Amino acid sequence: KAGVTQTPRYLIKTRGQQVTLSCSPISGHRSVSWYQQTPGQGLQFLFEYFSETQRNKGNFPGRFSGRQFSNSRSEMNVSTLELGDSALYLCASSRGQGSGNTIYFGEGSWLTVV
Amino acid sequence: QQQVKQSPQSLIVQKGGISIINCAYENTAFDYFPWYQQFPGKGPALLIAIRPDVSEKKEGRFTISFNKSAKQFSLHIMDSQPGDSATYFCAANTFSGSARQLTFGSGTQLTVLP
Repeated sequence: KAGVTQTPRYLIKTRGQQVTLSCSPISGHRSVSWYQQTPGQGLQFLFEYFSETQRNKGNFPGRFSGRQFSNSRSEMNVSTLELGDSALYLCASSRGQGSGNTIYFGEGSWLTVV
Repeated sequence: QQQVKQSPQSLIVQKGGISIINCAYENTAFDYFPWYQQFPGKGPALLIAIRPDVSEKKEGRFTISFNKSAKQFSLHIMDSQPGDSATYFCAANTFSGSARQLTFGSGTQLTVLP
């Protein structure tokens, strides 16, 4: 069974540009969430999608957005990139939203903003 | 109130020893407490998880101890091995309405000496 797949794995962008990251959840998983990981702030929740609807959003500016498609695949977008957006962006999926549903993480997309 | 406090920040243990990582929380709405293991360049991988109605859960060399009244939980790694050297994150899950979120501790970098 394939795990959570994230693309691209590595990318370098220039300040002011925008970026789109893609996530394919484990087959049968309908909940997709995104996290940002940095050395200084650790793992921080960005947002969660379930059935194509954003169910929860973390404390990030509006430059961070996402969406989920009917096949549960998800994308997140960061506009007007800042140097501080350099981070590992992690996608996670679970079968449902309830607390008994294990959350599985992908390998992440490493974003460097120069 | 959403914070999960994790200690120690780093831990060095001899091979065969016991590694203990502690976490504390305030939010009584947390309903699920997973531990993740992360190797450099990889996404977090679920290690073991516990619900608040259980005081202890053991899987192989890994044990979670949970103290609901003290709002604390800990990970014990018995017979620690060099291959266990990684960063460990505790987390706590909330599921409110249709919104779900994992809140992570700051991580513990474990080094097991051969």
